[in-house]
Amino acid sequence: EVVLTQSPDFQSVTPKEKVTITCRASQSIGTSLHWYQQKPHQSPQLLIKYASQSFSGVPSRFSGSGSGTDFTLTIDSLEAEDAATYYCHQSRNLGTFGQGTKLEIK
Amino acid sequence: EVQLLESGGGLVQPGGSLRLSCAASGFTFSSYAMSWVRQAPGKGLEWVSTVSGSGQTTYYADSVKGRFTISRDNSKNTVSLQMHGLRVEDTDVYYCARRSTGGGYGDLPDYWGQGTLVTVSS
Repeated sequence: EVVLTQSPDFQSVTPKEKVTITCRASQSIGTSLHWYQQKPHQSPQLLIKYASQSFSGVPSRFSGSGSGTDFTLTIDSLEAEDAATYYCHQSRNLGTFGQGTKLEIK
Repeated sequence: EVQLLESGGGLVQPGGSLRLSCAASGFTFSSYAMSWVRQAPGKGLEWVSTVSGSGQTTYYADSVKGRFTISRDNSKNTVSLQMHGLRVEDTDVYYCARRSTGGGYGDLPDYWGQGTLVTVSS
């Protein structure tokens, strides 16, 4: 099983700040890595697919990079509405999720 | 607009059974694989099962293999999850999700429903 480890688990950030969340896979998964945003009491929403492809309708401040075992989600100029938990997900081997990174807006 | 509406959740005793359903609309249902993903309250996400667009191929997480069965009815645009031998640790919100291709392997969930809560307790 591919284990995904996200860092940090929690981050308190101010609006307009640049945020970086990392996801490390226990084995190489190419670019089969995707990012989701889950706001409180809502279902997950796809942000980035295949490491760096933006999903339809996602604001341009969200971007992804990486391949192999190390991946990054970047949020440029954070907005208050970005308060959420972010999950990475790999689809190379059926599917596992990272443990999540909770972003709190100061 | 893609819409997924889950139903069938509720309270069930350990060892009991429950059937979840998901009604889909807004896309050509048979062209897409479908999945169930669950989430314990306040916890992370766990993929449970996937069925291909044709319904001929299914995949299961080890934690549910032999107890859960996924199926779909392409004439009714529905996907179901039959759960038997339920355990306390199966208590979760269960999400129905559309996958990005018809195959269901190597692709990803791109649209999610709002979820239905399953509580396993005596």
